[in-house]
Amino acid sequence: SQQGEEDPQALSIQEGENATMNCSYKTSINNLQWYRQNSGRGLVHLILIRSNEREKHSGRLRVTLDTSKKSSSLLITASRAADTASYFCATDRWGETSGSRLTFGEGTQLTVNP
Amino acid sequence: DADVTQTPRNRITKTGKRIMLECSQTKGHDRMYWYRQDPGLGLQLIYYSFDVKDINKGEISDGYSVSRQAQAKFSLSLESAIPNQTALYFCATSDGGLGQETQYFGPGTRLLVL
Repeated sequence: SQQGEEDPQALSIQEGENATMNCSYKTSINNLQWYRQNSGRGLVHLILIRSNEREKHSGRLRVTLDTSKKSSSLLITASRAADTASYFCATDRWGETSGSRLTFGEGTQLTVNP
Repeated sequence: DADVTQTPRNRITKTGKRIMLECSQTKGHDRMYWYRQDPGLGLQLIYYSFDVKDINKGEISDGYSVSRQAQAKFSLSLESAIPNQTALYFCATSDGGLGQETQYFGPGTRLLVL
């Protein structure tokens, strides 16, 4: 089964609104990463949060991590039509060499309507 | 030029044929990965390599083989293609060191097995 599971599977919002996506995982992790995928293209890394961090920001992105609940959220503020894409969380599991084996969730498809 | 390139970008083949997908990178990374993505799903790890002499099976290695010809090149072969191997295939690289866990993806190869 997938280590990371995203929720919701699909999200449709209006331009300017905030978008929140959630990720849950099952085992202890070294870090959790979020990636973006435009339709049919390669994934692009957005942000990484380590297991000892609780929140991280990058531009309009805010990521939180709750290791006690084994969950993370990605917030995109002031969304734009260009943010339309699939967003995946990926976990790098504890006990394995850092960066060795990311396990991806099934993704959230975000649609931002102009 | 792109840091991670994949050839071909699209391929149609018939059941039973042997095909090879190629990946090249100019990032100087030791670690390379092959993933498979089925429609609407996340990525599944097929094989990964930490250096030229190191090859490891991922979650779904059956029916696939790989070759790490050089630090910059990592090829994926389908020994005898079958229709359920129709998918989008991605190559990725990473530096792997602490603080360097991000993976960098190629543009993908779309494979159709008839």
